[in-house]
Amino acid sequence: EAGVAQSPRYKIIEKRQSVAFWCNPISGHATLYWYQQILGQGPKLLIQFQNNGVVDDSQLPKDRFSAERLKGVDSTLKIQPAKLEDSAVYLCASSSPDTGVGTDTQYFGPGTRLTVL
Amino acid sequence: AQKVTQAQTEISVVEKEDVTLDCVYETRDTTYYLFWYKQPPSGELVFLIRRNSFDEQNEISGRYSWNFQKSTSSFNFTITASQVVDSAVYFCALRGGNRDDKIIFGKGTRLHILP
Repeated sequence: EAGVAQSPRYKIIEKRQSVAFWCNPISGHATLYWYQQILGQGPKLLIQFQNNGVVDDSQLPKDRFSAERLKGVDSTLKIQPAKLEDSAVYLCASSSPDTGVGTDTQYFGPGTRLTVL
Repeated sequence: AQKVTQAQTEISVVEKEDVTLDCVYETRDTTYYLFWYKQPPSGELVFLIRRNSFDEQNEISGRYSWNFQKSTSSFNFTITASQVVDSAVYFCALRGGNRDDKIIFGKGTRLHILP
């Protein structure tokens, strides 16, 4: 079974530029997550999709970050314009509920390492 | 509020030694879920284990074992006979039992296994 795919793996941009990341979840997984992982920290949830609907985007900085999952499969995360503090690894994860709430296990992609200069 | 504390920022042990990674959590939920993930240098978070709050049985998987103690709100992870390939950052995580609950990660413990 193929895992979660992400691209690009690395991206270097200057502040105020725009950038987009792509994620392809594990086949059949209805739930997709985007996380931001700053160096030395654990991942922080930015947005969660259930199929193509947003479940939770409470920690997404909506003035500059946007995400979509139009057909309920692939997803893109965009930053426009980027700031220095956006330098981080952006992780995509997907899950398929086992039984009950909270029991679904998230499987992560390799991440995109973003450096903002 | 929910919180996960991994007090050990970095640990170094010599290969074949046993090592325990500590995890202490805080939650007011009676139903919750605990996780451990491994993040090797490649960057991908690898799922290791999920534990439900109503199942306090310890678990062993090969060289890995987990000690869940609700009385001390701890979910510690032990690697027996460590190997160089175990070198990674290990994250403990917590999720509440409500549908809207997010998974909360600790800051991680960087483990160095020295040859």
